[in-house]
Amino acid sequence: DAGITQSPRHKVTETGTPVTLRCHQTENHRYMYWYRQDPGHGLRLIHYSYGVKDTDKGEVSDGYSVSRSKTEDFLLTLESATSSQTSVYFCAISESSGSGTDTQYFGPGTRLTVL
Amino acid sequence: AQSVTQPDIHITVSEGASLELRCNYSYGATPYLFWYVQSPGQGLQLLLKYFSGDTLVQGIKGFEAEFKRSQSSFNLRKPSVHWSDAAEYFCAVGQGAQKLVFGQGTRLTINP
Repeated sequence: DAGITQSPRHKVTETGTPVTLRCHQTENHRYMYWYRQDPGHGLRLIHYSYGVKDTDKGEVSDGYSVSRSKTEDFLLTLESATSSQTSVYFCAISESSGSGTDTQYFGPGTRLTVL
Repeated sequence: AQSVTQPDIHITVSEGASLELRCNYSYGATPYLFWYVQSPGQGLQLLLKYFSGDTLVQGIKGFEAEFKRSQSSFNLRKPSVHWSDAAEYFCAVGQGAQKLVFGQGTRLTINP
């Protein structure tokens, strides 16, 4: 299994509070991603990073920000959580070798409930 | 824009029966195609992928998939399912492994 951990694994918070989710990898992969998973929507990309301090928006980035100060850590922040952000959040990593071996590997997920 | 369609939201098959899960994609270039499986409460595990070469791809757990460019499809198959195959299956498309677009998923139920 790819060395990806997510913390916390479960969190319950209240509307309007800030929340930060952490993704940590031990694979030294260049790319890191945050997805959210909701019933009927599959996985949707929130933000991704292609290197330290290099990030870009995904399909559903509104209300989320990210930071990557080290290769191994990618943080997802909800500045002011809303009930619509109740979801399961997955971190993923990948490399870009161009050899055809590239694959995204996923962490175990964080279940976030916003009351 | 790239997109993935998994037409079947939920499929039920009997243990020992054959399985085919459908995946259709829209992509402007030669795609990388992936199938992932997710057991309840777990993350996603890669079953197999296609990026070039032989259009019939073998994966883990006895799964295979066939890339058909003319039909823009990448259907997943297994000749005989086991109760442990009950899970949700996701098809994804991308350029390399970056910025994948996922289908909505197909939930597989196995009848004993």
